[in-house]
Amino acid sequence: EVQVVESGGGLVQPGGSLRLSCAASGFSVSDNYMNWVRQAPGKGLQWVSLIYSGGSTYYADSVKGRFSMSRDISKNTVYLQMNSLRDEDTAVYYCARDPNGYFSFESWGQGTLVTVSS
Amino acid sequence: EIVMTQSPATLSVSPGERATLSCRASQSVSTNLVWYQQKPGQAPRLLIYDASTRATGIPDRFSGSGSGTEFTLTISSLQSEDFAVYYCQQFNYWPPITFGQGTRLEIK
Repeated sequence: EVQVVESGGGLVQPGGSLRLSCAASGFSVSDNYMNWVRQAPGKGLQWVSLIYSGGSTYYADSVKGRFSMSRDISKNTVYLQMNSLRDEDTAVYYCARDPNGYFSFESWGQGTLVTVSS
Repeated sequence: EIVMTQSPATLSVSPGERATLSCRASQSVSTNLVWYQQKPGQAPRLLIYDASTRATGIPDRFSGSGSGTEFTLTISSLQSEDFAVYYCQQFNYWPPITFGQGTRLEIK
């Protein structure tokens, strides 16, 4: 069964850092496009980042230079390192799998909540 | 950045009736358009990709149409489980991949 499970969310002060994890099962992260999508409380969906099967990464302008996406193939896990966090980064962060490179997100985790507040 | 605009913001429809949701792109995205459904407290669920192709396991009462800048998601006969928020998403010009702001489909 295909599954992704996010972890690592929590409360952090502005300017702080956090690393989110997305553990995959039932498929290999190295064979899929993996994405992070976030949703601020009561708001819509916002794409954050993508890692290609080949390892290239792409980011939304709002997080470029502050967030970094990576993966550990041996652990079948992708990560989102978030630095210099701002109030507006408060959101539920979802890990989403795109198995075909069609930029349609077929499998999602349950999300992990990141709250940036002093 | 491509801006996706969904209308209406809220749509009230009775069970058994047809619902028509719209999504407009600020410039042509061809058929590189995806639809999701999201229920409260849940992750989004993929419904439609390539503007009109149903994802695996999606009932045939859901259909997508359109190309260029105008797209429509139609639910032919609403079931109780269909009341949710629906999002469109484009990937023709990326990064960034962009979503519409959502349409809330509520019971009339």
